[in-house]
Amino acid sequence: DIQMTQSPSSLSASVGDRVTIACRASQSVNTYVNWYQQKPGKAPNLLIYTSSSLQSGAPSRFSGSGSGTDFALTITSLQPEDFATYYCQQSYRTPHSFGQGTKLEL
Amino acid sequence: EVQLVESGGGLVHPGGSLRLSCAVSGFTFRTYSMDWVRQAPGKGLEWVANINPDGSEKKYVDSVKGRFTISRDDAENSVYLQMNSLRVEDTGVYLCAREYLSGHLWPWGQGTLVTVSS
Repeated sequence: DIQMTQSPSSLSASVGDRVTIACRASQSVNTYVNWYQQKPGKAPNLLIYTSSSLQSGAPSRFSGSGSGTDFALTITSLQPEDFATYYCQQSYRTPHSFGQGTKLEL
Repeated sequence: EVQLVESGGGLVHPGGSLRLSCAVSGFTFRTYSMDWVRQAPGKGLEWVANINPDGSEKKYVDSVKGRFTISRDDAENSVYLQMNSLRVEDTGVYLCAREYLSGHLWPWGQGTLVTVSS
């Protein structure tokens, strides 16, 4: 099975900051990496799919990059509503595993 | 509006069974793969299973193989997760989601809570 490892596990930042969350796959997953945002008590929400495609309705301050084994989610100019937990997921091969999550805190 | 609504969760003893349902509306159900994902209390997301549009292919995470069965009923616009031989570690919120061709999941239901405890 493919393991997805996110770093850091938690991150403190301020409104207006630029932050990057990394995700590494245990083997190549081409560009089949997706990013989700989850707020407490809510279902996850898709932000980025296939590494760098912005989901319709997601703010343009979110961007994704990478291919092979190394991926990143970048948020430019953090807004108050961005403080949440973020997960990467590979959909290259089942089981479509998730990273352990990165909690973004104010 | 696309909607997914899960039901069927509850409290069950170890070794027991539950059948979860996910009723969908707002899109052509029979053309999409569907997934189940779970989240243990205070933990991260774990992909559980998926089923392809015609129901001929079903995939599972190793920890549930042989115990859980995913199925779908296009007439009912629903996907199901039959869970047998439940263990304490199966406790969590179970969410269903629509899967696109590249494997990304959107949208998601709000989930149904399964508690396995003696």
